[in-house]
Amino acid sequence: QSALTQPASVSGSPGQSITISCTGSSSDIGYYNYVSWYKQHPGTAPKLMIYDVSDRPSGVPDRFSGSKSGNTASLTISGLQAEDEADYYCSSYATSTSVVFGGGTKLTVL
Amino acid sequence: EVQLVQSGEEVKKPGESLRISCKGSGFSRTNQWISWVRQMPGKGLELMGRIDLSDSITNYSPSFQGHVTISADKSLSTAYLQWSSLTASDTAIYYCARPRSGWESDPFDVWGQGTAVTVSS
Repeated sequence: QSALTQPASVSGSPGQSITISCTGSSSDIGYYNYVSWYKQHPGTAPKLMIYDVSDRPSGVPDRFSGSKSGNTASLTISGLQAEDEADYYCSSYATSTSVVFGGGTKLTVL
Repeated sequence: EVQLVQSGEEVKKPGESLRISCKGSGFSRTNQWISWVRQMPGKGLELMGRIDLSDSITNYSPSFQGHVTISADKSLSTAYLQWSSLTASDTAIYYCARPRSGWESDPFDVWGQGTAVTVSS
């Protein structure tokens, strides 16, 4: 069982917006602003999409945005595109275990 | 540009030992940390631990302490992940990754391509 809880799957049509939630606790997401999101296509390494809750690395489209409220972080993808279909993982710094990850969410673009 | 290149796929039997590697390039002098992340089949990501290539200071995640050994060769800019006695539950893809600025709280902005390890009799 992962330390952070994500929905197993979400889906949306091209052009729509979707949000993936990531629920932790007061020892990780609720305490630190060190939430990251990664995108992973099958058989490839994860790619950093969001860090420090809402910052985007260079080259990541501004369609990707992150936020946090209490113990829950969220990744929102607007203007959904076919190439957004992938697995998405959240992570957070945690008091006693360094970095913890969510179990992953499979995004399907219909 | 920082790059991480990992060693190739491994197929081993239970009880055998194994060492896989991650060679880094383009590191700055202030951030030579490499972390190891496990992804079991069909599962999520798990941080195993990390090492500073410059002085081999190592931190392990509690779940992996005592089960694996992380080491480094500074002269080769290479980090290693080692098992003394593999079990079937070690079957996974292992990624090395760089924390962006070297802090424990940092995101991983550069990843190796992954090393698939299969342990089967």
